[in-house]
Amino acid sequence: QVQLVQSGPEVKKPGASVKVSCKASGYTFTDYNVNWVRQAPGQGLEWMGIINPSHGGTSYAQKFQDRVNMTSDMSTSTLYMELSSLTSEDTAVYYCARCDGDYASYSVTWGQGTLVTVSS
Amino acid sequence: DIQMTQSPSTLSASVGDRVTITCRASQSISSWLAWYQQKPGKVPKLLIYKASTSESGVPSRFSGSGSGTEFTLTISSLQPDDFATYYCQHYIKYPYSFGQGTKLEIK
Repeated sequence: QVQLVQSGPEVKKPGASVKVSCKASGYTFTDYNVNWVRQAPGQGLEWMGIINPSHGGTSYAQKFQDRVNMTSDMSTSTLYMELSSLTSEDTAVYYCARCDGDYASYSVTWGQGTLVTVSS
Repeated sequence: DIQMTQSPSTLSASVGDRVTITCRASQSISSWLAWYQQKPGKVPKLLIYKASTSESGVPSRFSGSGSGTEFTLTISSLQPDDFATYYCQHYIKYPYSFGQGTKLEIK
């Protein structure tokens, strides 16, 4: 079955970077784009960006454009989301979520989420 | 960027009620709209895509409608398991964006 398994919780200091991984299984890794979405405590869902694992093409929300980097590793079927210059406002659960195909960029399968806490 | 606005933000209802949640887009998104359900501490779950197509396994009491800029999610007869927060999201062009959410509470 399709699965996305994310890395464990992280605690970072302000100004640091965090790299969250998302290991995919149960489908052809290069056939589906993956969204990254985050959710601050008690808040709604926020779309961060999307990656095409086949060629690594990305599109980011303007808010994160200068400090996010989404990558993919075909050899291990793993996606990565790195966020730099962290502040307390980046404290959130970060999700990877697989799309359903071309022209079907909604998120059909989600990882379990990774809590990133930014605190001095 | 396209803004998505949901109403109401909070909805109180009883088991058996019919409820409707509205999602409005700041510009036309055709039918490129999805609805998700999220329970506290859980991962969001896809309910509806392309405005009105139900994801496999979603109970038939959930239905979506609309096109252009106005969309609705209807639950025909609320069940105890339906009390959750619901989000709409467009996916017509980048950046994709979500509505702020509608929390469905027990009256």
